[in-house]
Amino acid sequence: EAQVTQNPRYLITVTGKKLTVTCSQNMNHEYMSWYRQDPGLGLRQIYYSMNVEVTDKGDVPEGYKVSRKEKRNFPLILESPSPNQTSLYFCASSLGTGRDEQYFGPGTRLTVT
Amino acid sequence: AQRVTQPEKLLSVFKGAPVELKCNYSYSGSPELFWYVQYSRQRLQLLLRHISRESIKGFTADLNKGETSFHLKKPFAQEEDSAMYYCALAWWGGSQGNLIFGKGTKLSVKP
Repeated sequence: EAQVTQNPRYLITVTGKKLTVTCSQNMNHEYMSWYRQDPGLGLRQIYYSMNVEVTDKGDVPEGYKVSRKEKRNFPLILESPSPNQTSLYFCASSLGTGRDEQYFGPGTRLTVT
Repeated sequence: AQRVTQPEKLLSVFKGAPVELKCNYSYSGSPELFWYVQYSRQRLQLLLRHISRESIKGFTADLNKGETSFHLKKPFAQEEDSAMYYCALAWWGGSQGNLIFGKGTKLSVKP
């Protein structure tokens, strides 16, 4: 089944404890991106990647890192999480660019205390 | 800079009533616009895009370049249409292409 998977789906952690949220797609998509969804703020892009080893900042990249070493994986790294990073995170992928239909993962609900 | 504005955070209508979710954009180039929908406990998914000019689940949206709008319409709302709706703009600049979303409108269709 063609899909985007994220792990974990739920995570509660403490301030400063490094964490990684994984994202994987099995559709051979070139483009992948991360968003955070907050009430009243909608979807804001954190980082995106046009291809392997090509990443770029979105609207709210501060406090996050990403890597794209393989086409299928695009992990989101929080080196030192803070409470303001408590949010619902979505990974998405598409065939070529942001112009193509985005396929979203199920979301990861992160709480930083 | 590119921007997508959805002026209504919440839109509440009764079943059978017409519905219009507003979306305005700001972009100096040739826009590509989309509507994505998120039903309760489900993933975001593409509802429709302006280039396909199709009707999905009874919804239509017309790109109005003069008014820089891409409003989503449905003549008779159904309860199952209750969801979060996001308007999105795809743009291309230099060698980069990306997608930005509006803040979303929550549609509530009452019985």
